[in-house]
Amino acid sequence: SQKIEQNSEALNIQEGKTATLTCNYTNYSPAYLQWYRQDPGRGPVFLLLIRENEKEKRKERLKVTFDTTLKQSLFHITASQPADSATYLCALLNTGTASKLTFGTGTRLQVTL
Amino acid sequence: DAGVTQSPTHLIKTRGQQVTLRCSPKSGHDTVSWYQQALGQGPQFIFQYYEEEERQRGNFPDRFSGHQFPNYSSELNVNALLLGDSALYLCASSLRQGTGYTFGSGTRLTVV
Repeated sequence: SQKIEQNSEALNIQEGKTATLTCNYTNYSPAYLQWYRQDPGRGPVFLLLIRENEKEKRKERLKVTFDTTLKQSLFHITASQPADSATYLCALLNTGTASKLTFGTGTRLQVTL
Repeated sequence: DAGVTQSPTHLIKTRGQQVTLRCSPKSGHDTVSWYQQALGQGPQFIFQYYEEEERQRGNFPDRFSGHQFPNYSSELNVNALLLGDSALYLCASSLRQGTGYTFGSGTRLTVV
């Protein structure tokens, strides 16, 4: 069966360090992988998209890698700040006329001073 | 430029009742998808509407139905509410052939 796995345990890191979140998937062949940030009681906010033929994407302090052989994406936040504390969701998107986003369960990141 | 607007923000219903949630998509977007998010879980796809028709459906019972209007806005209806329907209901808009999704803040439904 299709599965998207993110570490369900919260990730606690110190301010200024790099946070690395993992997304593994099975039985998918996604054309795109997206990362979202979600704050409590709010909808997900789009952060980054990476295509299947891309290895790495950067945006300011964010970096995403995509390894279709390992079926894994890593999401990095460098120089983390307490304001980065949130739940981060990965989502897969296939191509097609009826494309839909399929989400992982999310990983909660807590950045402390 | 307004993003995705959902109403109401919170709702309390009794078991067996029916509920209608509403969504206005981001300007320029023509496709609306609905998701259910239980506490501590990722959003689960309910269905997607384009050109006023349901194009794809997730693993949800027929109690969940929807509609899209000519102005691209959408409604989600849930009949015969169960306690397990308590969740955050999210609407996301996109372009039919696009990859960018914009989510609303959701409607928090509590069934008692």
